[in-house]
Amino acid sequence: RKEVEQDPGPFNVPEGATVAFNCTYSNSASQSFFWYRQDCRKEPKLLMSVYSSGNEDGRFTAQLNRASQYISLLIRDSKLSDSATYLCVVNMELNYGQNFVFGPGTRLSVLP
Amino acid sequence: DGGITQSPKYLFRKEGQNVTLSCEQNLNHDAMYWYRQDPGQGLRLIYYSQIVNDFQKGDIAEGYSVSREKKESFPLTVTSAQKNPTAFYLCASSIPQGANTGELFFGEGSRLTVL
Repeated sequence: RKEVEQDPGPFNVPEGATVAFNCTYSNSASQSFFWYRQDCRKEPKLLMSVYSSGNEDGRFTAQLNRASQYISLLIRDSKLSDSATYLCVVNMELNYGQNFVFGPGTRLSVLP
Repeated sequence: DGGITQSPKYLFRKEGQNVTLSCEQNLNHDAMYWYRQDPGQGLRLIYYSQIVNDFQKGDIAEGYSVSREKKESFPLTVTSAQKNPTAFYLCASSIPQGANTGELFFGEGSRLTVL
């Protein structure tokens, strides 16, 4: 089983749609969680951290369920500019440092 | 402006040649990382360094080498032993362990093509 798994995608949605991405992780000792956005041929950029209480940033809402080892990202009222690949990242602090594990990403295309 | 600078952005190499990718950061971060990304795939860890003069192999270290002589610099050498080096290479850094949002800061990447 892969350490971090995501919806395979791609997701093709019309403008204004609501879309949800799912991510599961295998290591229960994981401590922090993130969603990154990566545009085509560019570096990943932090979209938002994910907290146990859930957090919202404008049209974006992230949720964490530690018991189920599950993370989600919800995008409301999608815009053309939301088209990108969304990477789920899980971090675990170890004795020798931090271990960031990336999911394979889910590609989103928002269509006019 | 603080950040991570990678160079070159694009690099072409003939088979059998070693190439070195530069990564410099002025964020005062202790930890630095090199990742490789192939088309349609996620990031895979090549090497990482938590502190100057120390580095550890990641999941796909074979055919690569690194050094960490200065806090600001973490160059990656792609050697001729790397069988399939054509890829997008990303350097990243993070704030010290325990300090922590755990966020990774990335450079713009270096795209290596072997001819």
